[in-house]
Amino acid sequence: LAKTTQPISMDSYEGQEVNITCSHNNIATNDYITWYQQFPSQGPRFIIQGYKTKVTNEVASLFIPADRKSSTLSLPRVSLSDTAVYYCLVGDLAGSGGYQKVTFGTGTKLQVIP
Amino acid sequence: DVKVTQSSRYLVKRTGEKVFLECVQDMDHENMFWYRQDPGLGLRLIYFSYDVKMKEKGDIPEGYSVSREKKERFSLILESASTNQTSMYLCASSSSGTRGYEQFFGPGTRLTVL
Repeated sequence: LAKTTQPISMDSYEGQEVNITCSHNNIATNDYITWYQQFPSQGPRFIIQGYKTKVTNEVASLFIPADRKSSTLSLPRVSLSDTAVYYCLVGDLAGSGGYQKVTFGTGTKLQVIP
Repeated sequence: DVKVTQSSRYLVKRTGEKVFLECVQDMDHENMFWYRQDPGLGLRLIYFSYDVKMKEKGDIPEGYSVSREKKERFSLILESASTNQTSMYLCASSSSGTRGYEQFFGPGTRLTVL
């Protein structure tokens, strides 16, 4: 399972775009990059996933360079309700004909300031 | 709307008691997981199951057992609860055909062992 490195915490003002970068130097060919959001006292929520280039949905964008050794989660115009912990995961549950254990790590704690 | 439910949001037990935490998903998912989450340690995988009656140890299985008699239900059992098992317990499920790490989480059970 590819090890990931992301900042422990970030602060941002309301209305700004926030970019959280995750490093995953030993990503494997079949691995996907998945991001979760977790609010206090709740379970994590899947927000976006990608394999290469750019993925966008109604919540966020995910930028993946050609070498796939890092990825950037972009949250447009954050609000106070985006204050949460964001986790980056790399791997593939369905890959390799078997199963991979999931490691969430400690994530990035984003604090949005009024 | 997809849903993973857990039997209790809050639970208080005494040392030595047998504790059952139940998780039910309504998405017909093959895979189900139990995690615990502690401050500063992120989410850690206890056990997972990829089919009825099948189970695999995660990173921290000691002191826990699991049961999966039906596809939609996955139970976590603490045979003899100890104070170091005080934690937030999260259940998740995923489809075996899903690439990457898209999982659906329940709301969590905050267990206190006195």
